Amino acid sequence: AQSVTQLDSHVSVSEGTPVLLRCNYSSSYSPSLFWYVQHPNKGLQLLLKYTSAATLVKGINGFEAEFKKSETSFHLTKPSAHMSDAAEYFCVVSVAGRRALTFGSGTRLQVQP
Amino acid sequence: ETGVTQSPTHLIKTRGQQVTLRCSSQSGHNTVSWYQQALGQGPQFIFQYYREEENGRGNFPPRFSGLQFPNYSSELNVNALELDDSALYLCASNPKTGDYEQYFGPGTRLTVT
Repeated sequence: AQSVTQLDSHVSVSEGTPVLLRCNYSSSYSPSLFWYVQHPNKGLQLLLKYTSAATLVKGINGFEAEFKKSETSFHLTKPSAHMSDAAEYFCVVSVAGRRALTFGSGTRLQVQP
Repeated sequence: ETGVTQSPTHLIKTRGQQVTLRCSSQSGHNTVSWYQQALGQGPQFIFQYYREEENGRGNFPPRFSGLQFPNYSSELNVNALELDDSALYLCASNPKTGDYEQYFGPGTRLTVT
């Protein structure tokens, strides 16, 4: 079975400060991992993906994530938050041969001016 | 290249009724998946279609059914609507390359009263 746990349901940062959104995964096989972002009343947008290549993955809008197998983690970071980053972020796992994406419960990022 | 589109954007139905939601996959994508996102939760996998055949199913009852057409557009049908079916329904498509990331449409917000 595969699952993801997003360790914070809500994160609040000030504009210009770093962002850290935490995700742990569980998988019996080598996983593919993703981060998606959902702005209010919008669909899901792919931020970045890990598929067993480089462990440090760079995505869009300055986000990046590091795959750490020993810690079963895939945390999302950004050096400097912008107001436009305020949204819901989902950590997602998929395993070879499975059809579905399995989503975490989401982390709501709030950016204060 | 057009993205994934869904119709309608909003829908209100009464308990016991039936509903059909529609999705047009991104150009070049031959696999479509449907997800249900209840308020405040991550999306849950309903099922996936590949070349007009169901190709995997989540933990949803048979009153949730689907179709995929030769042009790769898709429908989600829900019979005997229940209040708990109120949710955002998301359609997603995969590239033919076999990568596991999925590209999502904006969703249909279904309200059951």
